[in-house]
Amino acid sequence: AQKVTQAQTEISVVEKEDVTLDCVYETRDTTYYLFWYKQPPSGELVFLIRRNSFDEQNEISGRYSWNFQKSTSSFNFTITASQVVDSAVYFCALSPNAGKSTFGDGTTLTVKP
Amino acid sequence: NAGVTQTPKFRILKIGQSMTLQCTQDMNHNYMYWYRQDPGMGLKLIYYSVGAGITDKGEVPNGYNVSRSTTEDFPLRLELAAPSQTSVYFCASSHGDRAINEKLFFGSGTQLSVL
Repeated sequence: AQKVTQAQTEISVVEKEDVTLDCVYETRDTTYYLFWYKQPPSGELVFLIRRNSFDEQNEISGRYSWNFQKSTSSFNFTITASQVVDSAVYFCALSPNAGKSTFGDGTTLTVKP
Repeated sequence: NAGVTQTPKFRILKIGQSMTLQCTQDMNHNYMYWYRQDPGMGLKLIYYSVGAGITDKGEVPNGYNVSRSTTEDFPLRLELAAPSQTSVYFCASSHGDRAINEKLFFGSGTQLSVL
């Protein structure tokens, strides 16, 4: 069985602070995919990143960066110099194949001005 | 490009009523999914389909039915609605090919209340 744990239920930071959202996963599959999705207050779900299990290279996209460590089964997400618009619920998800994803319960990030 | 379209956006049902949540996608995706999101929780997979005529249960299928007669449409049927089915429902689709930059495309959600 697959499992995704986002231990941080809620995080509150002040604008311009850096913040890291943790994601730990469990799977017996040797090939799998990890994702982060953002759900802003409007409710839609927005894809942020996908990482393949065989590619442990970290990725940076603007203020966002992701740290994938297979040895610790973690796929953490860091926002540098947070902004109020980053306030949202962030979901980590795991998929053994093309789609059927297991989601964590999400981390609610509040960025205060 | 419309992407994934869900209707309705909001609905209130009485206990025991039935309804169908509509979902259509125009991206020619093979895979389609229905998830539910309860307050403060992540998404739970209800049913999914890997192509027209093929459907399978997800993690929480009880009380729901689906059909996939075309590639574009994947309706979710609620029979005998119960308060436990109060949730936000998301339809999603994906291409279904690992070789492609696979990800889920979501509809805007349906907020359903069963009273």
